Amino acid sequence: ELKVEQNPLFLSMQEGKNYTIYCNYSTTSDRLYWYRQDPGKSLESLFVLLSNGAVKQEGRLMASLDTKARLSTLHITAAVHDLSATYFCAVSRMYSGGGADGLTFGKGTHLIIQP
Amino acid sequence: SAVISQKPSRDICQRGTSLTIQCQVDSQVTMMFWYRQQPGQSLTLIATANQGSEATYESGFVIDKFPISRPNLTFSTLTVSNMSPEDSSIYLCSVEGGTVYGYTFGSGTRLTVV
Repeated sequence: ELKVEQNPLFLSMQEGKNYTIYCNYSTTSDRLYWYRQDPGKSLESLFVLLSNGAVKQEGRLMASLDTKARLSTLHITAAVHDLSATYFCAVSRMYSGGGADGLTFGKGTHLIIQP
Repeated sequence: SAVISQKPSRDICQRGTSLTIQCQVDSQVTMMFWYRQQPGQSLTLIATANQGSEATYESGFVIDKFPISRPNLTFSTLTVSNMSPEDSSIYLCSVEGGTVYGYTFGSGTRLTVV
């Protein structure tokens, strides 16, 4: 059974600070995804990480993937209030080649950035 | 990336009744996925809907409770049957959008059972 663990689950930080969210998963997987969810909203795709060593950056967010360690990180640089949201990592089961598989999600990190 | 129209966006239902949620995709997709997000929780995959065959359900979810239809490559429905307050959740459909966009999600259906 694929398990995805995120930490921390809650994070309160001040604007301008840096922090990292960690995502560990239990079995070999092809792909790792990061999503953002604002209260009462659906999920917004942030990053798709496809291979070992993959690093992607968008604005103040940077995500990386280490498939050997089964670890992904989401790094926040110089946080701003607008980044307050819940962040989820998710992993797809082994890509069967015949089609997509559903995602297994971490529990999410509820991030509050205070002015 | 694919655009998904999901409806209803929210509903309040009486216990013992059923609600059908619809998802329409603007392009043909092989598989559609249904998730449940309980209040304050993460997302859990309910089932995978493949056109032309029965849906595949995850552990803890059964067809009698969550029947799914997939009549064509752009549409799917999820029914929540014989509802109880424990079914109060957000239900989301999703499709896989490839290596650039990843998985796209519908806007969700917020269900409250009273």
